[in-house]
Order: sequence, then structure tokens, then C-alpha cells
Amino acid sequence: NAGVTQTPKFRILKIGQSMTLQCAQDMNHNYMYWYRQDPGMGLKLIYYSVGAGITDKGEVPNGYNVSRSTTEDFPLRLELAAPSQTSVYFCASRGTPEANTEAFFGQGTRLTVV
Amino acid sequence: AQTVTQSQPEMSVQEAETVTLSCTYDTSESDYYLFWYKQPPSRQMILVIRQEAYKQQNATENRFSVNFQKAAKSFSLKISDSQLGDAAMYFCAYRTGDATNKLIFGTGTLLAVQP
Repeated sequence: NAGVTQTPKFRILKIGQSMTLQCAQDMNHNYMYWYRQDPGMGLKLIYYSVGAGITDKGEVPNGYNVSRSTTEDFPLRLELAAPSQTSVYFCASRGTPEANTEAFFGQGTRLTVV
Repeated sequence: AQTVTQSQPEMSVQEAETVTLSCTYDTSESDYYLFWYKQPPSRQMILVIRQEAYKQQNATENRFSVNFQKAAKSFSLKISDSQLGDAAMYFCAYRTGDATNKLIFGTGTLLAVQP
């Protein structure tokens, strides 16, 4: 009964490094989302996917890439990390609109770029 | 585009008292969902309560209830009999009715509960 699992929980990157934030869900949800949460701000949508092989940009996609090769996994790739990408990242998933399920969130990844 | 506004960055309440957190939103959609999420220091996003826009009846979950005013685009959260465990950041969120079904969040209200 894992739900949405994010790894790692914490990470420190140097400017210019790259990394992948992992997100996996075991609820067979079609919809998956990546959000970032900056201090004093709400969550902002980076990318989303409505099913395997389908991804699209959200509100703040610059500096990130995603892929969705399976229903379960939705990794977020940071290329050439910048201090502006210091944030807490949340992955979320939910079923189809017809199923009308709630969004389930992972526990977040705190990323610091120095 | 839809927006969600929480005008109270911080609130404080005495234990066992009642507090109301405010939220307003803007949308041109007629059918949508509204949510309140709780984020304790553990960072976990916990769903507190949800409201379907087509339902006139205000949602209630134990000590948590909402005052949903569709015409005014207002969605406040009332916490009754506040407990120390209610201390957290509270986010109001709007779920779009388009194909993305994405959540749009307000900036949050940090609730402190005084013993």
C-alpha cells in the first residue's frame, strides 16, 4: 500500500549538475503531476501526464524534462541545475476524471542547488 | 486562467476555539472542485475536505467545514474545537475541469494553535 513514492527525500546539487527525481505510484493512476513549492508560495505545476507516452508542460516547465514510458513511473529530469531550482518538489497522481478520485501526493523532495 | 487567493499568510487560534481560513478564487468554469489541504512540518500534503461546485450544501468532515459561496467565488474553511495537531500550513486548491484536471493552489495560511 505504498501510494506515491518519491526518491530521494533530500539532495544537494552543485550549479550545472544534473539529476533525476524519481516518482512511482502503484495505484494504476493515469494522471501524474510534478509540482514545485517555493517558500511562502503555493505549489506550481511543472509538468503533467494523462497517460503513458503523453506529457505536457505546466506553468513553470523551464529547466525541466519528463518522460512517461510506463503508467507507474514519472521521472523529472533537471539539466544544468541553477539556484532558482532550489525548492521542494512534489509528485502527485490520480485516476481518470470519470473515476473522480482524489490526488495522492508523495512526501516531497527537498532540493538545494549551491 | 484560474487563480486562487489566500489573503491570510498567518493565523492563530487558542486550543478548543474556532478559526476560519479564507480563500477566494476566480474562474469561468461552471463545474469544478475545491479543496483544502493541510501540510504539517513533515511536508506531507493531506486532504482535509473537498467541495463540488454543483452541490449547494457545504461539505463537512468532523471538526472541519466549509462555507462555499459560489456566486462570490469564496471558499472558507472553519476549524472547530481546534487541537494542537491542527497547527500546519493550509492550502486552498482549485481543480480545473479541463482534460488536465490539475490543481491550482493558493499561497497558503500558516495556522498556529496556542495551548
